[in-house]
Amino acid sequence: DIQMTQSPSAMSASVGDRVTITCRASQGISHYLAWIQQKPGKVPKRLIYTASGLQSGVPSRFSGSGSGTEFTLTIGSLQPDDFATYYCLQHNSYPYTFGQGTKVEIK
Amino acid sequence: EVQLVESGGGLVEPGGSLRLSCVVSGFTFSSYSMNWVRQAPGKGLEWVSSISYRRTGSYINYADSVKGRFIISRDNAQKSLHLQMNSLRVEDTAVYYCVRGAGEATGDYWGQGTLVTVSS
Repeated sequence: DIQMTQSPSAMSASVGDRVTITCRASQGISHYLAWIQQKPGKVPKRLIYTASGLQSGVPSRFSGSGSGTEFTLTIGSLQPDDFATYYCLQHNSYPYTFGQGTKVEIK
Repeated sequence: EVQLVESGGGLVEPGGSLRLSCVVSGFTFSSYSMNWVRQAPGKGLEWVSSISYRRTGSYINYADSVKGRFIISRDNAQKSLHLQMNSLRVEDTAVYYCVRGAGEATGDYWGQGTLVTVSS
């Protein structure tokens, strides 16, 4: 199975900060990676598809990059609505696997 | 508007069975692979199972944690996805989400989730 390791597991940041979350795959997954945002008590929401595609309706401050084994989600300027938990998801091969999540909290 | 609506969750004793359903609208169901993803209380997301859209036979995959106990199926005519859960364990307690897609569409739409609680 492919293991997905996210870093950091949690972080504190201020409104306006640039935030970077990293996801590392235990083996190459090409560009088959999505980034998912989940707010407390809410349904998960996809932000990024195939590593760098911006989901329709998602603000342009979100961006994704990477291929192979190293991937990054960047929030260009953190907004109050962005405080949430973020997950990466590899869908290159079964079983699909999620990272453990990165909780972004207010500093 | 794309909608996925799950039902069938509830309280069941260990060893029991439950059948989840997901009825969809707003897209051509028969053209998309579908997935079940779960989230235990206070924990992260876990992929459970997938079923392809293919006309001739379906390609099905399961997480090791549910293989041999859960059965995924679909009814394209009724635009519905199902998850038959047998031999349920306490650790199967979670919110179960119906999730659309494979390839570029993976995870683009999620249902609101249905809670399954396995407890005596």
